[in-house]
Amino acid sequence: KNEVEQSPQNLTAQEGEFITINCSYSVGISALHWLQQHPGGGIVSLFMLSSGKKKHGRLIATINIQEKHSSLHITASHPRDSAVYICAVNGNEKLTFGTGTRLTIIP
Amino acid sequence: DTEVTQTPKHLVMGMTNKKSLKCEQHMGHRAMYWYKQKAKKPPELMFVYSYEKLSINESVPSRFSPECPNSSLLNLHLHALQPEDSALYLCASSQVRRSNEKLFFGSGTQLSVL
Repeated sequence: KNEVEQSPQNLTAQEGEFITINCSYSVGISALHWLQQHPGGGIVSLFMLSSGKKKHGRLIATINIQEKHSSLHITASHPRDSAVYICAVNGNEKLTFGTGTRLTIIP
Repeated sequence: DTEVTQTPKHLVMGMTNKKSLKCEQHMGHRAMYWYKQKAKKPPELMFVYSYEKLSINESVPSRFSPECPNSSLLNLHLHALQPEDSALYLCASSQVRRSNEKLFFGSGTQLSVL
């Protein structure tokens, strides 16, 4: 079993829909990252969380430390949000990555 | 400047070639990282430099040789690679090497070994 599990693995939605991507982890962590990777490679750090909730534009990230669970929400989704979203956790000064969620937003 | 710049963006090399990947940041970060990413897989950590000293080598074969000539630059020297080394190589940096630091990633070098 991976230390970081993401669901769903793939998600296709219509433009405008509310999107939720989930991340569960099994190790003690000091921080959790949500990352975005577009085709062609580069990774962008969206959020780093150690508790509570953060919001940036249409993106919201939450974390529940007791339940070892985090969610990434996208409101009013747009085709440009199509990408792979990766959850990664910091434990023992090392990042452990989830396998990613491939999101496709259809116009 | 909040960018990590990697060059080249694409590289094709034969198994007998020697090439280098370059990574540069001017954010004053003192921790720099090399990751390898195969298609549809998460990144795998290769090396970590902290204050220009190698602090983690994740059992990477010696045909990969990292170098950190100063606090802004990180190189990855490649020699006698195998076709299975074809992957996206990502550089990242953080303020310091601490578990709750935000990572900044470059756009990667897509490497093909023929």
